[in-house]
Amino acid sequence: QSVLTQPPSVSEAPRQRVTISCSGSSSNIGNNAVNWYQQLPGKAPKLLIYYNDLLPSGVSDRFSGSKSGTSASLAISGLQSEDEADYYCAAWDDSLNGWVFGGGTKLTVL
Amino acid sequence: QPQLQESGPGLVKPSETLSLTCSVSGGSISSSSYYWGWIRQPPGKGLEWIGSIFHRGSTDYNPSLKSRVSMSVDTSKNQFSLKLSSVTAADTAVYYCARHGGGATTEFDNWGQGTQVIVSS
Repeated sequence: QSVLTQPPSVSEAPRQRVTISCSGSSSNIGNNAVNWYQQLPGKAPKLLIYYNDLLPSGVSDRFSGSKSGTSASLAISGLQSEDEADYYCAAWDDSLNGWVFGGGTKLTVL
Repeated sequence: QPQLQESGPGLVKPSETLSLTCSVSGGSISSSSYYWGWIRQPPGKGLEWIGSIFHRGSTDYNPSLKSRVSMSVDTSKNQFSLKLSSVTAADTAVYYCARHGGGATTEFDNWGQGTQVIVSS
């Protein structure tokens, strides 16, 4: 059972928009920044969004992040087949004094 | 950005100690304010943070693993290491090393490719 809660899977058609939610608590998302990671099949995770809504250099602006209270969301617009991957949210947890991850969401582009 | 590369035995017997090393190239492990961490991913499951170490030696460990985890850093070799004792099949996973900044508003911005560890007799 992960500290942060994500839907196990989402799916959408190409060129459409999809959102992935991440729910936490006041000790993690509510008080700290949320990061999102993309893990392509068989690959290591890659930083996708940091500090809630910032894009690292080289990441497509089709990806966007937001946070409100104890929840966060990742949105992907203009879906492409190459976006099929697992997506993880993460944040520092003040109670655990450590990093916590969501269980991951598998995105399928129909 | 520096490159991170994990190394270590791919097979460990139950009750023994898992030992992994992460080599950092293209940048000094001690020249900045970064922390160096370990994250694992059991087969078909999500990511779990194991712990992190600063180049001066201070550590943070996942409370659920704290009693079995030890991390160290060797600045002369630009490496940091993980030891996980008394392993069981539940410790079978891909183990990643990664870099993050200090504080609660940072992120794992640089990851190794991961190394598979199987716990089996």
